[in-house]
Amino acid sequence: DTEVTQTPKHLVMGMTNKKSLKCEQHMGHRAMYWYKQKAKKPPELMFVYSYEKLSINESVPSRFSPECPNSSLLNLHLHALQPEDSALYLCASSQTDNYEQYFGPGTRLTVT
Amino acid sequence: QKEVEQNSGPLSVPEGAIASLNCTYSDRGSQSFFWYRQYSGKSPELIMSIYSNGDKEDGRFTAQLNKASQYVSLLIRDSQPSDSATYLCAGTPTGTASKLTFGTGTRLQVTL
Repeated sequence: DTEVTQTPKHLVMGMTNKKSLKCEQHMGHRAMYWYKQKAKKPPELMFVYSYEKLSINESVPSRFSPECPNSSLLNLHLHALQPEDSALYLCASSQTDNYEQYFGPGTRLTVT
Repeated sequence: QKEVEQNSGPLSVPEGAIASLNCTYSDRGSQSFFWYRQYSGKSPELIMSIYSNGDKEDGRFTAQLNKASQYVSLLIRDSQPSDSATYLCAGTPTGTASKLTFGTGTRLQVTL
């Protein structure tokens, strides 16, 4: 089973809202990732958590705040986003941080 | 120079033919390579991983890696219309096994 789940599937938010994206995996993976993907572009890495600790932040603006409450869950807290932040947000997980990454279905975010 | 390069396509092949997708990379220290399939509006799906020189076969898919030439390819035999998608090549940069560097993807069209 290589299932990663993400909620919500779609999210529309205003620039003053606060919202959170959620990601869950039950494969016992110890590395989890957040990516952002714009139309017709490849995924761009945002954050990496390894053994529940943030190991990589790709210079992401502070309006994006990741959280890893436990080894199965990954959240992305959103605040004061800009319209250009509208994109498909993908969560992925891997056994550890040097194995195949499996993507969830994504959350399509629209910032108005 | 992009770290991972792919021809954006579209690559058009008739049903039943072999589709050949190619990828070159600039980081000679890259160790691991992955092929993802992405349907329009969906998330990337891992279809092949390859870590050593040579061929790796899985069903209708064969991945080939040539580290001397810094070249990765994916062959799809007996192509089906359901194979029509964008294929993303990804590699892990030197010293950062948790990162994936994606190419821009090749769009494959399998025609009836």
